[in-house]
Amino acid sequence: DVKVTQSSRYLVKRTGEKVFLECVQDMDHENMFWYRQDPGLGLRLIYFSYDVKMKEKGDIPEGYSVSREKKERFSLILESASTNQTSMYLCASSSQGANSYEQYFGPGTRLTVT
Amino acid sequence: AQKITQTQPGMFVQEKEAVTLDCTYDTSDPSYGLFWYKQPSSGEMIFLIYQGSYDQQNATEGRYSLNFQKARKSANLVISASQLGDSAMYFCAMRELRGGYNKLIFGAGTRLAVHP
Repeated sequence: DVKVTQSSRYLVKRTGEKVFLECVQDMDHENMFWYRQDPGLGLRLIYFSYDVKMKEKGDIPEGYSVSREKKERFSLILESASTNQTSMYLCASSSQGANSYEQYFGPGTRLTVT
Repeated sequence: AQKITQTQPGMFVQEKEAVTLDCTYDTSDPSYGLFWYKQPSSGEMIFLIYQGSYDQQNATEGRYSLNFQKARKSANLVISASQLGDSAMYFCAMRELRGGYNKLIFGAGTRLAVHP
């Protein structure tokens, strides 16, 4: 059974703190993604990675960075958390196969920045 | 420009009835794909159904079917015989090739409530 796990379901941090969100997949997928989900806006892509140590900016990368040191792990970093980064964060992974477009999602991390 | 439009923020349906969730899209790429995902209150995104732009027939998966009208750029999800467990957020998404990589563009979602 495919599995994407995220380190926390709920997280509360203070403004200015450095925040790490971790994502691990056990499907040997090449691609990994970080989204944030906000009411009325759907899911928006922050960053994605198509290989170890490779990363690409998504639609809303400002205020975020990522790290992919191992194939199975993709980390989202908020260098200095701000209240407008309060959101639901979803990690996903997918294969690079020719017809493998489906993304598999983790359970999400609801981050509150106070 | 918005690429995926879901015009129904909320819908409700009686148990055992069918419901259609609307999705329109905009792309100039001849090769694309359309997805529907379900997100229950627990938060995980569950893949429901996929339609490729070159697929001749509408996709079906159990009680889910995708009403794909290419000329109208619509990809509505039809859920037949609704069940209480179908109450959730539903997202339409489009696979788009950008910068050499396949990415998903999501709509804002529709919240479906199934009433007994």
